[in-house]
Amino acid sequence: GAVVSQHPSWVICKSGTSVKIECRSLDFQATTMFWYRQFPKQSLMLMATSNEGSKATYEQGVEKDKFLINHASLTLSTLTVTSAHPEDSSFYICSARPRVRRTDTQYFGPGTRLTVL
Amino acid sequence: AQSVTQLGSHVSVSEGALVLLRCNYSSSVPPYLFWYVQYPNQGLQLLLKYTTGATLVKGINGFEAEFKKSETSFHLTKPSAHMSDAAEYFCAVSVGGGSEKLVFGKGTKLTVNP
Repeated sequence: GAVVSQHPSWVICKSGTSVKIECRSLDFQATTMFWYRQFPKQSLMLMATSNEGSKATYEQGVEKDKFLINHASLTLSTLTVTSAHPEDSSFYICSARPRVRRTDTQYFGPGTRLTVL
Repeated sequence: AQSVTQLGSHVSVSEGALVLLRCNYSSSVPPYLFWYVQYPNQGLQLLLKYTTGATLVKGINGFEAEFKKSETSFHLTKPSAHMSDAAEYFCAVSVGGGSEKLVFGKGTKLTVNP
């Protein structure tokens, strides 16, 4: 149980285009989903926290107009990187916190590798 | 503010040897502490966690960690390393006592030599 999927697993796009990444909790409902960014050989940095039905809360320094987050249902959150540039190339990982279980665990997706040319 | 320091970005051990990955934390409130493992090009998998209660926590794959408040440490150990343990390990502390936000250490890459 507690499986989180991400789609796509990798994507290559041209500079200036937008890319959407999906994060789904497959066997549980998630009230909260988190989006992280991981640069090569570095740790995960929290970008934003999204709660179903409300606006996402962004961490300091993260451009909300560039990284659009939508948490439309209890099992789906999307991250759209708008007008992507090479510096946005990174590994994006989402996590989900179950609605009904103890709140001390986040379950992570497998990540999406974005390469912007 | 919460923070995590992982001593040693790379640790190399021989198969069958003890694994010790060090983690020190800083927290203004009683911390929730986590260890995650990441295999190449994959997401994170929870190894173990400490919230309250017993300070020695046992996790999956034979790993365990001990919460030592006096030392602000949460080191990860495994008595005998296996080749499959080779991965990146991240220590994390929660913000605010729950799990609303996790602050991660920079990670320790474990190499297991045959």
